[in-house]
Amino acid sequence: DVKVTQSSRYLVKRTGEKVFLECVQDMDHENMFWYRQDPGLGLRLIYFSYDVKMKEKGDIPEGYSVSREKKERFSLILESASTNQTSMYLCASRSGTGGVETQYFGPGTRLLVL
Amino acid sequence: AQSVTQPDIHITVSEGASLELRCNYSYGATPYLFWYVQSPGQGLQLLLKYFSGDTLVQGIKGFEAEFKRSQSSFNLRKPSVHWSDAAEYFCAVGRGYQKVTFGTGTKLQVIP
Repeated sequence: DVKVTQSSRYLVKRTGEKVFLECVQDMDHENMFWYRQDPGLGLRLIYFSYDVKMKEKGDIPEGYSVSREKKERFSLILESASTNQTSMYLCASRSGTGGVETQYFGPGTRLLVL
Repeated sequence: AQSVTQPDIHITVSEGASLELRCNYSYGATPYLFWYVQSPGQGLQLLLKYFSGDTLVQGIKGFEAEFKRSQSSFNLRKPSVHWSDAAEYFCAVGRGYQKVTFGTGTKLQVIP
């Protein structure tokens, strides 16, 4: 069965802290994505990666960075957390480059920045 | 730029009634279109997708959607809603290895 796991379901951090969100997929997918989900705004793409060590900015990359050292793992980094980064963070993975393939989502990490 | 509009933020239907969730898109070429569902506290799950061929697409859980190019729409339907269908539904558009753009979602409430 397909599986995308995220390191934490809930996370509370202080303003200015460095925050790491980890995502692991077991499907050997080339593509991985980080979204944030906010009420009334839907899902917005932060970064995506189509191969190891490759990354592309999404719609809202400011204040975030990513790392993909291994195919199965895609990390989202908040260099200095701010209160406006309080949100639900969703990771997804997808095979291939055709675009028609299904994105598989993790359960999400709800981050609260105080 | 591609975009997706889900005009209904919240919809309430009675159990057993029919359902239609609206989705309009803007895309420069023939799009790939998706519907996802998110149950409370969960990630998103694909219900169905359209990329070519028959414009009426069947998905899981008894859902279907119809691609209408002339109306730039991809509405989701179900003939008889069950209480377990209460969730948030997202329409999305994208193609190739480019990003997928999601709509803002429609929350479905099902009343007995």
